[in-house]
Amino acid sequence: ETGVTQSPTHLIKTRGQQVTLRCSSQSGHNTVSWYQQALGQGPQFIFQYYREEENGRGNFPPRFSGLQFPNYSSELNVNALELDDSALYLCASSTQFAELYGYTFGSGTRLTVV
Amino acid sequence: AQTVTQSQPEMSVQEAETVTLSCTYDTSESNYYLFWYKQPPSRQMILVIRQEAYKQQNATENRFSVNFQKAAKSFSLKISDSQLGDTAMYFCAFMNLNSGYALNFGKGTSLLVTP
Repeated sequence: ETGVTQSPTHLIKTRGQQVTLRCSSQSGHNTVSWYQQALGQGPQFIFQYYREEENGRGNFPPRFSGLQFPNYSSELNVNALELDDSALYLCASSTQFAELYGYTFGSGTRLTVV
Repeated sequence: AQTVTQSQPEMSVQEAETVTLSCTYDTSESNYYLFWYKQPPSRQMILVIRQEAYKQQNATENRFSVNFQKAAKSFSLKISDSQLGDTAMYFCAFMNLNSGYALNFGKGTSLLVTP
């Protein structure tokens, strides 16, 4: 059983640019969530996708958007990057019973905006 | 909105000893779940233990157990027989099913296990 894989592992972008982060869900999982973890902080929920539809969103502006594909993999897109977007971005997958089994997390993408 | 507070930024314990990490939360909801996640230097969050709010019995997973005090809104993690591999950041997290399945994390406690 494969876990959650994220790519790339590290990324450096310039302020104002756009970035796409990718995530492959664990086999058998149909729900994907994205979290932003700033240095020294706990992860903050960005949004969640279930069967290709967004079904929950945290307090993030619209320039944070996402997609989920039929194979349940997912993308996180961030437009007009700001310096404060520098963080570790974590992808997490689950079945529809996340409360029973929790989420499986990837190792994250470290985004640096300069 | 729910808040999760971990009041111990850093803790240290000797190998084979027992340590307790604190977590409190604030919610008006009744249907929720609580989790402890471990984040080692590899950055991957690993589920340690979970607790349903409607269950009075404290969850246990091998060397890990919780002390769930619902009235006090407290959810502490006890690690027995600490091992060097337990060194990591530990995050307490709250899930309210009435507002989706998002995890609301605390700021974490950095645990160092020393020989």
